[in-house]
Amino acid sequence: GENVEQHPSTLSVQEGDSAVIKCTYSDSASNYFPWYKQELGKGPQLIIDIRSNVGEKKDQRIAVTLNKTAKHFSLHITETQPEDSAVYFCAAFGSSYGNKLVFGAGTILRVKS
Amino acid sequence: NAGVTQTPKFQVLKTGQSMTLQCAQDMNHEYMSWYRQDPGMGLRLIHYSVGAGITDQGEVPNGYNVSRSTTEDFPLRLLSAAPSQTSVYFCASGGGGGYNEQFFGPGTRLTVL
Repeated sequence: GENVEQHPSTLSVQEGDSAVIKCTYSDSASNYFPWYKQELGKGPQLIIDIRSNVGEKKDQRIAVTLNKTAKHFSLHITETQPEDSAVYFCAAFGSSYGNKLVFGAGTILRVKS
Repeated sequence: NAGVTQTPKFQVLKTGQSMTLQCAQDMNHEYMSWYRQDPGMGLRLIHYSVGAGITDQGEVPNGYNVSRSTTEDFPLRLLSAAPSQTSVYFCASGGGGGYNEQFFGPGTRLTVL
């Protein structure tokens, strides 16, 4: 089945700096890659997603890139703010092993002001 | 719309007890799923459903049962609770199978003594 690895597990940046989180996936048939943000005590919430027919997608300060050949995708947050501090999860979805959305282990992002 | 609701928010069980975690959504989503969240292990898929009457196993299904008699409800049953099932449980729903945004409930924190 699908396996998603996420790095780093924790990331501390200074306010205003950029943050990058990387994920790799194992199933070449996976074709949907969402990123979720989880704040303390809440359920995860989608922040951006990308499908396999697109190499990059941007939404204000957040961008995601996808390299299908290398089977990895990354989240980029620019001009980080204290409210960006949270746990971020990547995920991969494909139907070759059933309709399963598989998540990475998560990255704790701390933005220091 | 209430979105995805989960009850209870907190629960303490003794080893061997049974209970049902409730999940309901009012968005008419066909796809619903249950995840457990443990420190350092991200969100692991327990069971999922692509529509009423259809369920399938995720990554960690042992010790859990599900059923889907209606589009709205997707309860998770623990038949004989074990300390290893101490975790935070999240229910999610989404349209278009797993290819679209998943909306997560607020979670149930379960402790098994």
